[in-house]
Amino acid sequence: GAVVSQHPSWVICKSGTSVKIECRSLDFQATTMFWYRQFPKQSLMLMATSNEGSKATYEQGVEKDKFLINHASLTLSTLTVTSAHPEDSSFYICSARDPNRGIHEQYFGPGTRLTVT
Amino acid sequence: GQNIDQPTEMTATEGAIVQINCTYQTSGFNGLFWYQQHAGEAPTFLSYNVLDGLEEKGRFSSFLSRSKGYSYLLLKELQMKDSASYLCAVYSGGGADGLTFGKGTHLIIQP
Repeated sequence: GAVVSQHPSWVICKSGTSVKIECRSLDFQATTMFWYRQFPKQSLMLMATSNEGSKATYEQGVEKDKFLINHASLTLSTLTVTSAHPEDSSFYICSARDPNRGIHEQYFGPGTRLTVT
Repeated sequence: GQNIDQPTEMTATEGAIVQINCTYQTSGFNGLFWYQQHAGEAPTFLSYNVLDGLEEKGRFSSFLSRSKGYSYLLLKELQMKDSASYLCAVYSGGGADGLTFGKGTHLIIQP
């Protein structure tokens, strides 16, 4: 099956700094990628939809100036958490659609655990 | 709005059968997914239903009733490795291509 990678798998940063998370589709071109956030024992919450070559679409309540998304190529989307605070500590997961396989073929990356101290 | 309900936790015995229910009320519907998620890992795809009825795939089956806004995931011949969270997710479509997830059902398998 299709493979999606994320880097880093975990990161610890100090409050006020910025952190960049990369999401890559390794063996297919993903015109659309999604960013989710999951707090402990909670569900995955969609943060934004990232479309290659255009601006991301953010879900209600997600600050676009705080969570910067760039989808500069068909295989890479990045999420930058700017001026991170402890409440941003969470599990961030990306997923990617392979346009050649239909909407149910949405592949998840392994996730990035962010801890803000 | 979007609302997806599933039980928080279930316990079952190794070798037995368990059914995890999911009800949904969403502004649109273009399919329902079930994912398995082990602690600290990303979800893995189990099944996808867009039409009413039962989809069987090995030990796992998934059922959908669109008129009732209801789905279930059936796991047979339970194994210890099936201990995980099971997430019900709805694809609403209509330009909102992301998935709306339920909170997940934590399944505990006992020997």
